[in-house]
Amino acid sequence: SQQGEEDPQALSIQEGENATMNCSYKTSINNLQWYRQNSGRGLVHLILIRSNEREKHSGRLRVTLDTSKKSSSLLITASRAADTASYFCATALSGSARQLTFGSGTQLTVLP
Amino acid sequence: GAVVSQHPSRVICKSGTSVKIECRSLDFQATTMFWYRQFPKQSLMLMATSNEGSKATYEQGVEKDKFLINHASLTLSTLTVTSAHPEDSSFYICSATRTGNNSPLHFGNGTRLTVT
Repeated sequence: SQQGEEDPQALSIQEGENATMNCSYKTSINNLQWYRQNSGRGLVHLILIRSNEREKHSGRLRVTLDTSKKSSSLLITASRAADTASYFCATALSGSARQLTFGSGTQLTVLP
Repeated sequence: GAVVSQHPSRVICKSGTSVKIECRSLDFQATTMFWYRQFPKQSLMLMATSNEGSKATYEQGVEKDKFLINHASLTLSTLTVTSAHPEDSSFYICSATRTGNNSPLHFGNGTRLTVT
């Protein structure tokens, strides 16, 4: 089964609201990354959090990591219609990108 | 920022033909590139790791004779789907990373392959 499982599978919110997506994984990791994918396009790297970090911010993004619960969350504040996309977490067992395993993704829809 | 260019973005071919997809890192050297396959509304599945100047490393279950990978230079990797069949229809995405651990992946925009 996939290393990363995301919850919810789909999320629909109104513009201006916050969106929270969760990712759970099964084994120890080196780092966890979040990516965004617009429909029919490649993925865009959003943020990387290392296993010894608990929280990280980047603009309207806030990522948390709880290694004891093997889970991470991505919070998008003050969402915009342009945030509509699929969001994937990816876990790295080591520093090697070859061992990056992608979760099942959350489809976020932000309604104007 | 780092840019990875993937071409073509869409291709439709007949069963039995071969299709080549190119992946280029435009502003950095990528000793390693990765090829993924993505089915609709599903996650990315790593197919193979492309290493410049050496043979690609294929993931379990991926036929290396079916999906030929060539990484002839530090900026170009190609994936050739040989003798394509309708079940090969999918979204193929490449990515590259700068050297060093914990570097994020930079993705191409993907190629939508449809085999009729």
